Amino acid sequence: QKEVEQNSGPLSVPEGAIASLNCTYSDRVSQSFFWYRQYSGKSPELIMSIYSNGDKEDGRFTAQLNKASQYVSLLIRDSQPSDSATYLCAVRSRGSNYQLIWGAGTKLIIKP
Amino acid sequence: DTGVSQDPRHKITKRGQNVTFRCDPISEHNRLYWYRQTLGQGPEFLTYFQNEAQLEKSRLLSDRFSAERPKGSFSTLEIQRTEQGDSAMYLCATIGTSGGFNEQFFGPGTRLTVL
Repeated sequence: QKEVEQNSGPLSVPEGAIASLNCTYSDRVSQSFFWYRQYSGKSPELIMSIYSNGDKEDGRFTAQLNKASQYVSLLIRDSQPSDSATYLCAVRSRGSNYQLIWGAGTKLIIKP
Repeated sequence: DTGVSQDPRHKITKRGQNVTFRCDPISEHNRLYWYRQTLGQGPEFLTYFQNEAQLEKSRLLSDRFSAERPKGSFSTLEIQRTEQGDSAMYLCATIGTSGGFNEQFFGPGTRLTVL
C-alpha cells in the first residue's frame, strides 16, 4: 500500500460544476496536509494546507480533512478551464525534517 | 513566482557527462529540499538541508549524486556520469521557520534530458 494514494484520473468535470478530488494516507499520526496544483511542465504550486479536522475554505477551494478515516479532499467550486491541471496531495512525514510524502496526482480536465 | 529560483531551467546532456543544478531559496528560508519528479508521478524526496547542514539523504540518492549548501544560502545538486534514467524534473523547495506552520514553496524546476 502506498503511503499517499490518489486516483490518477483523468477526472472530467463540466465548466461551472464542482470538482471533487480525493486522497487517502496510511500514517495515522500525520498532522499536516497539502494540496498542490501542477500545470504540465511546471512545478507544483501550493493552493491549500489543512491541519485540523473539518473544512477549510479559500475562495473557490475547500479542503476537507477526516483524520479518523485518514482521508483528505479538495473541492473546487465553479470550475474553470484554467483549473485543468494535475492536483497533488502531500502529507508531512512524522520526522523532524518536514519532508512531504506525495501522491501521484489526479489529472483534472474542465470541459467548456 | 514563489521567490525560489533554479538554474538552468532546461539541460540536455549526453550519457556519461556531469551536470550541476543550482537553487537560490527565499533568503530567510533555512530549510531546503531537493526532489526529483518523473512523468505521471509525484515528487520524490532526494535530500534536505537545514542551513548548511545536509541532514537527510534518500536511498534514491546514489553515489553519483551530491548536494551542497555552502553558507546556508544557495544549494547545488550535481549528478556525475549521467544515465538515461536520470532524465526527470529536479525541483527545489524551501521552508522558513516563521509562523506556526511550515509550507514548502517550489522553484520552477530544472528539466534534465539525458540522451
